[in-house]
Amino acid sequence: GENVEQHPSTLSVQEGDSAVIKCTYSDSASNYFPWYKQELGKRPQLIIDIRSNVGEKKDQRIAVTLNKTAKHFSLHITETQPEDSAVYFCAASSTGGYNKLIFGAGTRLAVHP
Amino acid sequence: EAGVVQSPRYKIIEKKQPVAFWCNPISGHNTLYWYLQNLGQGPELLIRYENEEAVDDSQLPKDRFSAERLKGVDSTLKIQPAELGDSAVYLCASSLTTGELFFGEGSRLTVL
Repeated sequence: GENVEQHPSTLSVQEGDSAVIKCTYSDSASNYFPWYKQELGKRPQLIIDIRSNVGEKKDQRIAVTLNKTAKHFSLHITETQPEDSAVYFCAASSTGGYNKLIFGAGTRLAVHP
Repeated sequence: EAGVVQSPRYKIIEKKQPVAFWCNPISGHNTLYWYLQNLGQGPELLIRYENEEAVDDSQLPKDRFSAERLKGVDSTLKIQPAELGDSAVYLCASSLTTGELFFGEGSRLTVL
């Protein structure tokens, strides 16, 4: 089955800097890669996703890149703000369609003013 | 629009006691999921329903865990008997067949 590895587990940046979180997956058939943000004590919420027919997607300060050959994808946050502080989870769809997601272990991002 | 609703938000029980969690998905979402989230970890799928059918329950510890989704809407997840290692957050999520997963706030279980 699918296995998703995420790193780093913690990331500390100064406000205004960029943050990059990387994930690798094992199942070459996976075709959907969402990123979720979870604030302390809150529910995970989708912030951006990418499908396997696209190499990059951008939404304001957030971008995701996908390298299907290498089986890795990354989240890029530019001009970080204190409200970006949260745990970020990547996920990949295992064989079985978009709705069989396997999550990474998460990255705790701290943005310091 | 109401999101995914879960209850209770918090539950503290002694080991060997039973516990049940309830989930009401977003209206119209035919797919419902129960995930387990341990502290500092990502969500792990326990069971996935398509309407009232459990299509993936391979990760559900069936000796003590059970779930149902009668009428293809609300769902309950039960643990009987609970063990210390079951302490975690139980997340419910729903989606359309090929859409974004929407999570509930979760039910935090503490087993003493």
